[in-house]
Formats: sequence, C-alpha cells, structure tokens
Amino acid sequence: DVKVTQSSRYLVKRTGEKVFLECVQDMDHENMFWYRQDPGLGLRLIYFSYDVKMKEKGDIPEGYSVSREKKERFSLILESASTNQTSMYLCASSLPGNRNEKLFFGSGTQLSVL
Amino acid sequence: GNSVTQMEGPVTLSEEAFLTINCTYTATGYPSLFWYVQYPGEGLQLLLKATKADDKGSNKGFEATYRKETTSFHLEKGSVQVSDSAVYFCALSSGNTPLVFGKGTRLSVIA
Repeated sequence: DVKVTQSSRYLVKRTGEKVFLECVQDMDHENMFWYRQDPGLGLRLIYFSYDVKMKEKGDIPEGYSVSREKKERFSLILESASTNQTSMYLCASSLPGNRNEKLFFGSGTQLSVL
Repeated sequence: GNSVTQMEGPVTLSEEAFLTINCTYTATGYPSLFWYVQYPGEGLQLLLKATKADDKGSNKGFEATYRKETTSFHLEKGSVQVSDSAVYFCALSSGNTPLVFGKGTRLSVIA
C-alpha cells in the first residue's frame, strides 16, 4: 500500500516562527499536493508539484512556500507563522499520467499557532 | 472556474437508515467526479469515482451516478452502519487541474 507520511501529527508554534511541515511518500509518485482543511471550508489547495524542482500555486498560496528537492519529499513552509494559519494540513500524492485520479493522503498535521 | 457544492451537515441517522448526500458541480469540459471519505483521525481516502456521464461508481455499499443533465453526483447508501460515521467529500477534476473539493458533510450514525 502507498504510504504518505507527515512528520508531525500535532504541532504548536508561536506567531512569527518559521514552520516546516514535512511529507514523504514511498511509492515514487510524481505528483504531490498540500491542502489545508478548516471547518466549514473543506479542503483548499495551497501548492502542488508535478515533478522534482517544480511547484505551482494553488488557490491559497499566500503566506506559504514549498520545496521539492527529491521526488519523495514535499515540504510546506510557513515563512512567518500567523494565527490564521492554525489549521489541519493534509499532504497527498498521486501517480503521473492521469493527474486526476486517486489521491493518497497522509493523516494530517494539526498546527496551532499561538 | 470549477466548483463543487455539497449539502451541509451534520447528518445524523439511525443504523440501517437510507443515506443521501447531495453534490452538484460546475465545471468546464467533461470532469471526473469523486467521493472521498475521512474517518476520525485519518486522512482522506477515495470511496468511489465516475469518469463520464451516466457512469455509476460504487464501493462498500455506497453508490453515486454521474448525471450530466443535472450536474449532480449524489452519494447514496441503502443501509448505513455505525462504522460509516465519517466526513464525506465530493470532488471533481477537469483536464490536468488538481482536485477541487466540496466543503464536506459530517455523517454520524447512531446505534
């Protein structure tokens, strides 16, 4: 089975800190995604990547950046954390080719910014 | 742009009741449609999908039919169980764009 692993299940940070959320997948997937999940808002796409070194902005990229140095790892970076970035962050990956097929999700990182 | 609208929850049902969660979409072209499920404490997982009009996706007793004329993809199950308690997300993809998700519907099934 595909495994998408997010480094932390719960994370507490202070306003202004630089925060790294790590995601690793073990099935050689080209495509990787970062979403945030908020009550009443569902999932919103932050950034995605269809190849190493490649990144594209999603619907809500402001305040975030990403890094994809290796195929299996896709990092989300909060340059200066703010309280409105308190959220559940979900990483996902999928096979290349048909980019719109099954996404495999990690269990999520619940980030609290105080 | 592409968007998905699904019924707001929460939905509370007794065991063995019939479930419908409504989902309608707006999209350019010919989208593929999906239902994902998120069990407590877990990430999302694909429940079922349909890639063209009139297709029916099914899995674990759940079904949804791709209706182009009504731009809908409603999720149904004839007899829910306590273990079906979860959040259900309708989603679509069109072309090479990433999935667009609805806001999710929380289902609670009580014994």
